[in-house]
Amino acid sequence: EAQVTQNPRYLITVTGKKLTVTCSQNMNHEYMSWYRQDPGLGLRQIYYSMNVEVTDKGDVPEGYKVSRKEKRNFPLILESPSPNQTSLYFCASSLTGLGNQPQHFGDGTRLSIL
Amino acid sequence: AQSVAQPEDQVNVAEGNPLTVKCTYSVSGNPYLFWYVQYPNRGLQFLLKYITGDNLVKGSYGFEAEFNKSQTSFHLKKPSALVSDSALYFCAVRALDDKIIFGKGTRLHILP
Repeated sequence: EAQVTQNPRYLITVTGKKLTVTCSQNMNHEYMSWYRQDPGLGLRQIYYSMNVEVTDKGDVPEGYKVSRKEKRNFPLILESPSPNQTSLYFCASSLTGLGNQPQHFGDGTRLSIL
Repeated sequence: AQSVAQPEDQVNVAEGNPLTVKCTYSVSGNPYLFWYVQYPNRGLQFLLKYITGDNLVKGSYGFEAEFNKSQTSFHLKKPSALVSDSALYFCAVRALDDKIIFGKGTRLHILP
């Protein structure tokens, strides 16, 4: 089954404790992206990757890191999480980054930073 | 500035009635437009897209959308609403730099 898998689905942690949210897709997609969803703000892009070893900032990259060492994986790293990063996070992928294909989304990761 | 607007935070429709969820956009060049649906505790699911061609686009679950270039709109429609259509709907557009911009979402309530 074609899918985007995120782990963990839920995480409660404390300020300053490094964490990683993993994302993996099995569709051989070139393009992958991370979004955060906050009430009243919709989805905002954090980082995206057009292909392996190519990453770029989205609209809200501060406080986040990403890497794309393999085509299927695109982890999101919070090196020193803060309470304002409490949010619902989504990973997505599409065949290419041309913008004319739909994105496939994971089921989300709900992060609470205390 | 490039943007997408969903002017209604919430839309209420009686079951069996037609529904419309509105979306307007502002981008340079020819837009690529998308609608997604989000059910509770799930990621967004693709409904339909407009890239080029016929202005009326048909998608999943009986939904359709009409691209109107002069009004820069891409409203989502369905002739007869179902209770199971209740969800959060997002409009999205490809911006000039190939980034995808999402609207803030419209919560659709279908009343039995």
